[in-house]
Amino acid sequence: DVKVTQSSRYLVKRTGEKVFLECVQDMDHENMFWYRQDPGLGLRLIYFSYDVKMKEKGDIPEGYSVSREKKERFSLILESASTNQTSMYLCASSLWLMNTEAFFGQGTRLTVV
Amino acid sequence: AQTVTQSQPEMSVQEAETVTLSCTYDTSESDYYLFWYKQPPSRQMILVIRQEAYKQQNATENRFSVNFQKAAKSFSLKISDSQLGDAAMYFCAYPTGANSKLTFGKGITLSVRP
Repeated sequence: DVKVTQSSRYLVKRTGEKVFLECVQDMDHENMFWYRQDPGLGLRLIYFSYDVKMKEKGDIPEGYSVSREKKERFSLILESASTNQTSMYLCASSLWLMNTEAFFGQGTRLTVV
Repeated sequence: AQTVTQSQPEMSVQEAETVTLSCTYDTSESDYYLFWYKQPPSRQMILVIRQEAYKQQNATENRFSVNFQKAAKSFSLKISDSQLGDAAMYFCAYPTGANSKLTFGKGITLSVRP
């Protein structure tokens, strides 16, 4: 089975802290995604990576950065966490082909206090 | 900009009945794929069904089927013989661009009444 593993299920951080959300996939997928999920807003793409060290901004990149040094790992970084970044974060991976499905991690519920 | 629209935030269906979830999209591409994903209360998103735009035949996976109207840019999911385990959020999604970046709709929360 394909596995996408997010490092934490629940996370509580303080305002101003630097936060790292880690995601690892085991299927050699080219594409990896970070989404943010909020009630009434659905899934919004933060960043997308289509290869090692390659990244593309999504719809809401402000306040976030990413790192992909190895193909299997895609990290989301909140440089200085703020309360409006309290949300559910979902990582996903897929092959680069348009017809293939994306596989998702369990999600990280981040609360910034 | 390519968009995916799910205009119904919530729906409810009686167990064993049929329900249809709506999705419309906007694209200038001629060949593409469309997906429905399910997110149960446990949160892990899984693929329900996919449709290739150039295929005339609507996709079917057991109790799940698609009503794909390419000209109208409509992609509805029909769930037959609804079961309690079908209760979840359902998202319509569309991969765009050379690298298949996935764009999602806002989702529909489906509840199933016993």
